[in-house]
Amino acid sequence: AIRMTQSPSSFSASTGDRVTITCRASQGISSYLAWYQQKPGKAPKLLIYAASTLQSGVPSRFSGSGSGTDFTLTISCLQSEDFATYYCQQYYSPPETFGQGTKLEIK
Amino acid sequence: EVQLVESGGGLVQPGGSLRLSCAASGFTFSSYAMSWVRQAPGKGLEWVSAISGSGGSTYYADSVKGRFTISRDNSKNTLYLQMNSLRAEDTAVYYCARKAGDTYYYYYMDVWGKGTTVTVSS
Repeated sequence: AIRMTQSPSSFSASTGDRVTITCRASQGISSYLAWYQQKPGKAPKLLIYAASTLQSGVPSRFSGSGSGTDFTLTISCLQSEDFATYYCQQYYSPPETFGQGTKLEIK
Repeated sequence: EVQLVESGGGLVQPGGSLRLSCAASGFTFSSYAMSWVRQAPGKGLEWVSAISGSGGSTYYADSVKGRFTISRDNSKNTLYLQMNSLRAEDTAVYYCARKAGDTYYYYYMDVWGKGTTVTVSS
């Protein structure tokens, strides 16, 4: 199975900050990468697919980039509602696998 | 409105069985592959199983292969997960999710249900 590794696992930031989360695949996955946001007690929500395509309805402050093995999720100007856990997921090769998650907390 | 609603979770003893259901609405159910994803308490997301839109192809994580069976009834717009020989490590919130296409491969999960909780304990 392809291993997905996110960094950092958690960190603190302030409203208005620019934040970047990194996801690395153990082997090339082209652009078959999605990012999800999950808030406590809620289901995951799709933010980005195909590494850089914003899902309909997702604010433009979210952006994704990368291909092959290295990917990033950037939030350009953190809002209070963005404090959550973020997961990357590869859907290139079964079984589809998730990163361990990055918990974004308020500083 | 596109919606997925899971049901069937509960408390079950180790070795027991449970069947989860996921009722879909607001889209042409048979046109989409579907997945089950679980999340153990305080842990990350783990893909469990998937099925093509027609139901002709199924896929399982190694951790559940031989114990869980995924199926769908396109006439009832419902996805199922039959879970047998349950173990403590199967304790989790189980989400059903729609794949963005009719096959398992190369599609992300674009719609998620709210989840149903399965607890395996004596």
